[in-house]
Amino acid sequence: EPEVTQTPSHQVTQMGQEVILRCVPISNHLYFYWYRQILGQKVEFLVSFYNNEISEKSEIFDDQFSVERPDGSNFTLKIRSTKLEDSAMYFCASSRLDQNTGELFFGEGSRLTVL
Amino acid sequence: GENVEQHPSTLSVQEGDSAVIKCTYSDSASNYFPWYKQELGKRPQLIIDIRSNVGEKKDQRIAVTLNKTAKHFSLHITETQPEDSAVYFCAASNTDKLIFGTGTRLQVFP
Repeated sequence: EPEVTQTPSHQVTQMGQEVILRCVPISNHLYFYWYRQILGQKVEFLVSFYNNEISEKSEIFDDQFSVERPDGSNFTLKIRSTKLEDSAMYFCASSRLDQNTGELFFGEGSRLTVL
Repeated sequence: GENVEQHPSTLSVQEGDSAVIKCTYSDSASNYFPWYKQELGKRPQLIIDIRSNVGEKKDQRIAVTLNKTAKHFSLHITETQPEDSAVYFCAASNTDKLIFGTGTRLQVFP
């Protein structure tokens, strides 16, 4: 069964450093997302991406965050200058159709620890 | 924007009993309501979903009901088993994003 894959599974970084989290969505999916989950809390929407551009973003997704689909398979989340409060599990997700129509498939997550 | 509230935050039941988790949402335009199960350290996994043109949906031991007038929806698990123990999240969507509830930690004791 196809699945969303994410790397790295865990990254530890120093405050102020840049981090790139990578995702390979399911191959025939068209909609891509990043969500985050601070330990013990709910899953929060960060950004949605369709047709090579951001379709929606939350207040969390400020100028320190960016997303990119550099080739036909990868979808990346970059945090330019990490802060302690960026420590969380970051989930990539994809769906074949938009959120009102298609099931969302999550990756296993990338745990980011900012020291 | 959309706000989703979920109750209870924790729920303990005996194996074989039923469990009910309730969510309310604020945006009347929301029309898609999935439920996710998340085991410790794992990804959220969709267990059932319902759209606004339907009032109830059932899949074996799991059912979801939706009351659009009252803006609430519920997850019902019957004949609970220890492997049902996990955190359950409801969510609502009317655009290109899901807004999640705060989660319910369900513990099923043998």
